[in-house]
Amino acid sequence: GAGVSQSPSNKVTEKGKDVELRCDPISGHTALYWYRQRLGQGLEFLIYFQGNSAPDKSGLPSDRFSAERTGESVSTLTIQRTQQEDSAVYLCASSLSEYQPQHFGDGTRLSIL
Amino acid sequence: EDQVTQSPEALRLQEGESSSLNCSYTVSGLRGLFWYRQDPGKGPEFLFTLYSAGEEKEKERLKATLTKKESFLHITAPKPEDSATYLCAVQPTSGYSTLTFGKGTMLLVSP
Repeated sequence: GAGVSQSPSNKVTEKGKDVELRCDPISGHTALYWYRQRLGQGLEFLIYFQGNSAPDKSGLPSDRFSAERTGESVSTLTIQRTQQEDSAVYLCASSLSEYQPQHFGDGTRLSIL
Repeated sequence: EDQVTQSPEALRLQEGESSSLNCSYTVSGLRGLFWYRQDPGKGPEFLFTLYSAGEEKEKERLKATLTKKESFLHITAPKPEDSATYLCAVQPTSGYSTLTFGKGTMLLVSP
């Protein structure tokens, strides 16, 4: 079946602009995660959605970052007033349920000029 | 705070030359330890989950083992197609199910 799909695959934008990144999880997966991968660094947790529960936002680095999820489907990560340090690959993962292995998309490579 | 340290940062092997990658971890309570493979420009691909000390999992030329402080990914007679970055991550027993990742080991297998 289809894996986790992310769009766009690449995004180049100017400092100060807002960006929206999209994630389509594997059908039937109730848990959805966003991570950030900076060059030479490990994956960094951003936000987690599980079913209809309140999301875990503890990894969001600033109030410029926000995310939404519609039911158990699509999620959107929004970064407002982008800064150069936001340049990274943003990865989305989903799992069948909490504590099951997470399956990743290929990410969105974000470059801030 | 959960921590994961992987070594070496990079490893170059000749085809057929077996070796091991190390993942040392500090976590208040371990629910699971995960190994992923990541190819350039791609997302991590799930390989194994280990849950308790002494557990072992195998897949083709890869075998993962777990102790109370570290995990090893043993690569037997590697092939060039095994070249990738291998990531280790831990999931704690308390709190949410998010993963804490190490920085990875970049493996290059030369023919």
